[in-house]
Amino acid sequence: SQTIHQWPATLVQPVGSPLSLECTVEGTSNPNLYWYRQAAGRGLQLLFYSVGIGQISSEVPQNLSASRPQDRQFILSSKKLLLSDSGFYLCAQRQGSGTQYFGPGTRLLVL
Amino acid sequence: KNQVEQSPQSLIILEGKNCTLQCNYTVSPFSNLRWYKQDTGRGPVSLTIMTFSENTKSNGRYTATLDADTKQSSLHITASQLSDSASYICVVSDFWNDMRFGAGTRLTVKP
Repeated sequence: SQTIHQWPATLVQPVGSPLSLECTVEGTSNPNLYWYRQAAGRGLQLLFYSVGIGQISSEVPQNLSASRPQDRQFILSSKKLLLSDSGFYLCAQRQGSGTQYFGPGTRLLVL
Repeated sequence: KNQVEQSPQSLIILEGKNCTLQCNYTVSPFSNLRWYKQDTGRGPVSLTIMTFSENTKSNGRYTATLDADTKQSSLHITASQLSDSASYICVVSDFWNDMRFGAGTRLTVKP
């Protein structure tokens, strides 16, 4: 069965600092990978998705970026964090049109 | 305007009681509808998936209904337990497998 790992689980960063969140998946090959952000009490916002290595689609223009250096690795980055970047970041994977499976999430607090 | 609207935004019920959560959507052309349960600080977990031809689907104490004509779905929880306290998210996919997320209903079950 597929497993999704995200780390760190919790992160507190000062404004203007860089960010790197990592997501890795196991038990599947060539999945579609997604990064979502969930603000407190709000719905999920799709940030990026990837259908393959090196292929990234951005849904929302912002100071975040994503990369997929390996088939099962998806990285969310920022050069300079903003206060508004605080939130709960979820990585997800899906095979074709199947059910989307989510990772445990990373809680980011920017101070 | 969000293409997936959920109601109520939040709900508090006593343990053992039943409740029904609503999801109305405008996503078209419709492919499928999923209900997810998201515990606080965790990633969402799929409860049910329904396609156009399905009216009802159950998963234990959870029963989802779908009326594709009126574009409405409900999630009924029977004999609620404390562990049912979570956010419940409705996700609707279109023909091209693009997903639209509802903002979720926050359910609190009290003893």
